[in-house]
Amino acid sequence: AQSVTQLGSHVSVSEGALVLLRCNYSSSVPPYLFWYVQYPNQGLQLLLKYTTGATLVKGINGFEAEFKKSETSFHLTKPSAHMSDAAEYFCAVRVFNAGGTSYGKLTFGQGTILTVHP
Amino acid sequence: NAGVTQTPKFQVLKTGQSMTLQCAQDMNHNSMYWYRQDPGMGLRLIYYSASEGTTDKGEVPNGYNVSRLNKREFSLRLESAAPSQTSVYFCASSPFGVDGNTIYFGEGSWLTVV
Repeated sequence: AQSVTQLGSHVSVSEGALVLLRCNYSSSVPPYLFWYVQYPNQGLQLLLKYTTGATLVKGINGFEAEFKKSETSFHLTKPSAHMSDAAEYFCAVRVFNAGGTSYGKLTFGQGTILTVHP
Repeated sequence: NAGVTQTPKFQVLKTGQSMTLQCAQDMNHNSMYWYRQDPGMGLRLIYYSASEGTTDKGEVPNGYNVSRLNKREFSLRLESAAPSQTSVYFCASSPFGVDGNTIYFGEGSWLTVV
């Protein structure tokens, strides 16, 4: 089975500071990993994804994440936080059926709420 | 440029009432999903439809039924609503079940069962 764990339900940073949101995964097959962002009262929007190839993945709004197989991690970072980054962030991993098919299903972590202070 | 559209956006039900959440996508996607979001639990998959004419249970299917009416539409029905079904419901879709493709979400339906 595949699962993800997000460390820290709330993260608070100052504007201009480094953003680091932690995600660890469990997967018996090579994982496809995703970060989504949710602004208040809205749906989820894809920030970035790792499927194969380069382990450092760049996404929208200046975010990036690095896939580290040895650490089973996929942490999300941004060098300099902006007030508009305040939102909830979800890490997700693709899920497989017993027969090995996925059909795009994802399982999500519990979410991390990012607060940015002036 | 609608993407995934869900209705209604807000609904209050009494325990035991039934209702259907409607979802439609205009991106010609084959796969569609219903998730629920509860505080501190992330999103959990209720049902999914890999392609038109097929539906399968997800992680938390009890108390729900779905219908894949056609390629565009995927509805979620609560036959006898319970307070435990108070949640935010998200419909989503993705291109034909090729791994790695992005899932696109609707804006959510807030359901309260009293």
